[in-house]
Amino acid sequence: DAKTTQPTSMDCAEGRAANLPCNHSTISGNEYVYWYRQIHSQGPQYIIHGLKNNETNEMASLIITEDRKSSTLILPHATLRDTAVYYCIVRVGQDMRFGAGTRLTVKP
Amino acid sequence: DAGVIQSPRHEVTEMGQEVTLRCKPISGHDYLFWYRQTMMRGLELLIYFNNNVPIDDSGMPEDRFSAKMPNASFSTLKIQPSEPRDSAVYFCASSLSDLLNAEAFFGQGTRLTVV
Repeated sequence: DAKTTQPTSMDCAEGRAANLPCNHSTISGNEYVYWYRQIHSQGPQYIIHGLKNNETNEMASLIITEDRKSSTLILPHATLRDTAVYYCIVRVGQDMRFGAGTRLTVKP
Repeated sequence: DAGVIQSPRHEVTEMGQEVTLRCKPISGHDYLFWYRQTMMRGLELLIYFNNNVPIDDSGMPEDRFSAKMPNASFSTLKIQPSEPRDSAVYFCASSLSDLLNAEAFFGQGTRLTVV
């Protein structure tokens, strides 16, 4: 029972912003939205997380809609090294389960 | 800290043999997770521990799989007997219990091939 829905794949031009959407319409009030990415053959890497406010760090920005039913991860200036599978996860507590994610391909 | 350390990185074994995968979490982290990744099923949560105690093992596929955490700095995932369908990449991750900073850090994984 997937709690999130993401597009299977997306392309982005190098240097442009990559906007990765995620739907989580059944999210409950105490569930956080987490984003991870997995670069080929490596372990997943944490990117960012939030509850209801927009968040920004050195890697990305997270925009959460006011009703919290969807969010968007923004990589402001995508590089070829950002090519990876991006996972959106909603979690309460420590239970963390991954869906299929979005395969982002950054093209020169 | 060197991060989450898993060993071995690669393991090839024959069907029916016992396989033990090892994980050293980040020092000070009180949660430890075991995941399995295959092309068909993606990343599956197998089991996780809090303060060395198993909290949820509902993802463990069958009795052939067992996991232990004898102390805060070491965990094992054992498969006995192994089968070809167990071939996968197994990841270990650790995190803090502070929900405001609960990002999980993953190891590099163990690629298991059962022939």
